[in-house]
Amino acid sequence: DVKVTQSSRYLVKRTGEKVFLECVQDMDHENMFWYRQDPGLGLRLIYFSYDVKMKEKGDIPEGYSVSREKKERFSLILESASTNQTSMYLCASSLESYYNSPLHFGNGTRLTVT
Amino acid sequence: QKEVEQNSGPLSVPEGAIASLNCTYSDRGSQSFFWYRQYSGKSPELIMSIYSNGDKEDGRFTAQLNKASQYVSLLIRDSQPSDSATYLCAVNMNTGFQKLVFGTGTRLLVSP
Repeated sequence: DVKVTQSSRYLVKRTGEKVFLECVQDMDHENMFWYRQDPGLGLRLIYFSYDVKMKEKGDIPEGYSVSREKKERFSLILESASTNQTSMYLCASSLESYYNSPLHFGNGTRLTVT
Repeated sequence: QKEVEQNSGPLSVPEGAIASLNCTYSDRGSQSFFWYRQYSGKSPELIMSIYSNGDKEDGRFTAQLNKASQYVSLLIRDSQPSDSATYLCAVNMNTGFQKLVFGTGTRLLVSP
């Protein structure tokens, strides 16, 4: 079974802090994704990566950056956390770039910014 | 128009009934379609994928796809209380690379 592990289940940070969310997958997947999920808005894509050191903006990249130094690890960075970034953050991975490759999600990180 | 639309529900069905969940999408060139189940406080888990018109069955689950009508559905036969969850429809838009767009989900409640 694919395992996608997010380093923290719950996180509380203060406004202005730099926040790192870590994600590791153990199945040698090419693609990794960061989504956030908010009530009524569903899952929205923040950033994704198809290869090491490669990144692409999703639909809502503002206020975020990412890092993929190794194939198995994809980090989401909140440069200066704000209260509107309070959300559930979900990391996902998939095997190939082809359209029929499903996403496998981690357990999520619930981030609260106060 | 939203790219992927689902009725938010809740859809309430009695135990043993058939639950029918629906999803429409805007991009006529979309190639692949997925249904995810998400329990409260948990992450989405893949239930079904479907790529061609028609029905695809897996146990109590049947996915139906009609590309001409831009419509995909999920039927759950013999619904159980443990099926109570939010069901997310996800569509891979025709962008040349993998980009899944999710609906906001339909909440299903199965009463004993």
